[in-house]
Amino acid sequence: EAGVTQFPSHSVIEKGQTVTLRCDPISGHDNLYWYRRVMGKEIKFLLHFVKESKQDESGMPNNRFLAERTGGTYSTLKVQPAELEDSGVYFCASSPIPGTGTDTQYFGPGTRLTVL
Amino acid sequence: QKEVEQDPGPLSVPEGAIVSLNCTYSNSAFQYFMWYRQYSRKGPELLMYTYSSGNKEDGRFTAQVDKSSKYISLFIRDSQPSDSATYLCAMSSPRGHDMRFGAGTRLTVKP
Repeated sequence: EAGVTQFPSHSVIEKGQTVTLRCDPISGHDNLYWYRRVMGKEIKFLLHFVKESKQDESGMPNNRFLAERTGGTYSTLKVQPAELEDSGVYFCASSPIPGTGTDTQYFGPGTRLTVL
Repeated sequence: QKEVEQDPGPLSVPEGAIVSLNCTYSNSAFQYFMWYRQYSRKGPELLMYTYSSGNKEDGRFTAQVDKSSKYISLFIRDSQPSDSATYLCAMSSPRGHDMRFGAGTRLTVKP
């Protein structure tokens, strides 16, 4: 079974540019999460989708960040315009529908974003 | 005060040693407790998963949860060089979708 995949693995952009990160969850997983880890800090929650609906976006830093999950499959996270403090590793995770007895989240390898 | 506190290390031990990793937390609503292992340039990988208090053992790994003290531990017996990684504790409430992570402890097991 394929795991969670993320693209690109690394992105270097200049301040003010736009970047779009993509996450493909494990097939059949309705729950999709975005997290971010900035250097020296812990991994922090950004938002949670159930299928195509945003369940919780309380962790999104500001309105420069836009997440979508059209059709309830893959998700994109767009940063526009990017600022220096947006640098970090962006992780995506997915988990099965509730009721399976666990909310185990399976993480992708992350996208390392560097804003210069 | 952070919701989850974890000593970032680094921690270096010889091969075969018993490793003890710990986290403390402040939110009494947390009921699910996880340990993730993360190798360099990889995503976190779930290692152990415990609900509420008690112990759970899986091979060389034992997870302990003491909710009265708000303290969780991961023990690694007979540590191997392949165990060298960053270990992250994580926890969530029964809602399950509000996971909070520790900063991670970087472990090196020397041959």
